[in-house]
Amino acid sequence: QEKVQQSPESLIVPEGAMVSLNCSFSDSASQSIWWYQQHPGKGPKALISIFSNGNKKEGRLTVYLNRASLHVSLHIKDSQPSDSAVYLCAVSMATGGNNKLTFGQGTVLSVIP
Amino acid sequence: DPKIIQKPKYLVAVTGSEKILICEQYLGHNAMYWYRQSAKKPLEFMFSYSYQKLMDNQTASSRFQPQSSKKNHLDLQITALKPDDSATYFCASSHPNERLFFGHGTKLSVL
Repeated sequence: QEKVQQSPESLIVPEGAMVSLNCSFSDSASQSIWWYQQHPGKGPKALISIFSNGNKKEGRLTVYLNRASLHVSLHIKDSQPSDSAVYLCAVSMATGGNNKLTFGQGTVLSVIP
Repeated sequence: DPKIIQKPKYLVAVTGSEKILICEQYLGHNAMYWYRQSAKKPLEFMFSYSYQKLMDNQTASSRFQPQSSKKNHLDLQITALKPDDSATYFCASSHPNERLFFGHGTKLSVL
């Protein structure tokens, strides 16, 4: 069974800082890796995904995937107080259109003005 | 304007009772899911449906029964409720192999 571990558990940074979040997974056959953002009392919202080794950039977000080491990281440039949320790493085992995700326990990010 | 509607937002039940959690999506997706988020566990996959047919079931208990009366509906019936069932239940939907869109959740408390 797929296992997803995230670090750190929580992070406090000043506004404008670069944020780095880590995620390791157990199954090399996993497909896409997703990062979701969850604000209190809300459902998770997809931010960015990656499938191939290497990196992918979208706006202030950059994600790096290394399948050999089973590790993915998310970097948020120029962090804002509105980025304060829980960040969830999720591994997809999509088969036949069934996008089943296994989530990590999350990293709580606080961006201080 | 929420595209995935979950009802109710909060639900309190007594042990042994039965409840139905409602989910409707207006995103035109054919795949729908239920996930559960407990206080001490990661967000956990429960069921997936595609074109109103069960695709995957990861719940160990038959007390949890999804019901799909329409293409854009996937309700969750929970019978013989236990305090351990207390959690926030999220409905989600997607196009095949694409990102999941989640509702705001139903927070269930079993006393």
